[in-house]
Amino acid sequence: DAKTTQPPSMDCAEGRAANLPCNHSTISGNEYVYWYRQIHSQGPQYIIHGLKNNETNEMASLIITEDRKSSTLILPHATLRDTAVYYCIPQGSNYQLIWGAGTKLIIKP
Amino acid sequence: GAVVSQHPSRVICKSGTSVKIECRSLDFQATTMFWYRQFPKQSLMLMATSNEGSKATYEQGVEKDKFLINHASLTLSTLTVTSAHPEDSSFYICSARDPGQFYNEQFFGPGTRLTVL
Repeated sequence: DAKTTQPPSMDCAEGRAANLPCNHSTISGNEYVYWYRQIHSQGPQYIIHGLKNNETNEMASLIITEDRKSSTLILPHATLRDTAVYYCIPQGSNYQLIWGAGTKLIIKP
Repeated sequence: GAVVSQHPSRVICKSGTSVKIECRSLDFQATTMFWYRQFPKQSLMLMATSNEGSKATYEQGVEKDKFLINHASLTLSTLTVTSAHPEDSSFYICSARDPGQFYNEQFFGPGTRLTVL
């Protein structure tokens, strides 16, 4: 399973874009990059995923580098409710998710 | 997205008793469910993969006789913590994947906080 490196914590001002980086240099060719988040004392929530093209949905955008060794999750207009731990997880066909430490994102008013 | 529920949301029990936690997929049939454990300030740890109609697959270091998993229907998986001890106190989370979806995102329950006195 690919390993990931994420900054342990980040701050972002409310209303600004939050850019969360993730290094996954050992990702294999058939592994998608999935992003989840976990708000304190709740179950994780799926955000977005991608293989090699950039993706956008109603929650976020995902930018994947051409060599697929890193990606960035973008929350375009962060709100206080976006305060959470964000996890970037490469996932292949076995469906299992291996959780790293994630990035604790704090949105400040 | 699909909805997964867990019951109870929190439980307090005495040492030596058994506790059952239910995980239900509410609007889809889940052939595979996952059980995780999360200690304070730590990340999620996969305990076992539960497949409907067959035995669960446990991760290394997880005792199958202590953490009994039953996935008897396509919408329900249960985790029973047998003879619970204070060190079993944790946040237990289940997830399920919808086989009708093309991609592999998992949908998570809200979690069950277990406190063993």
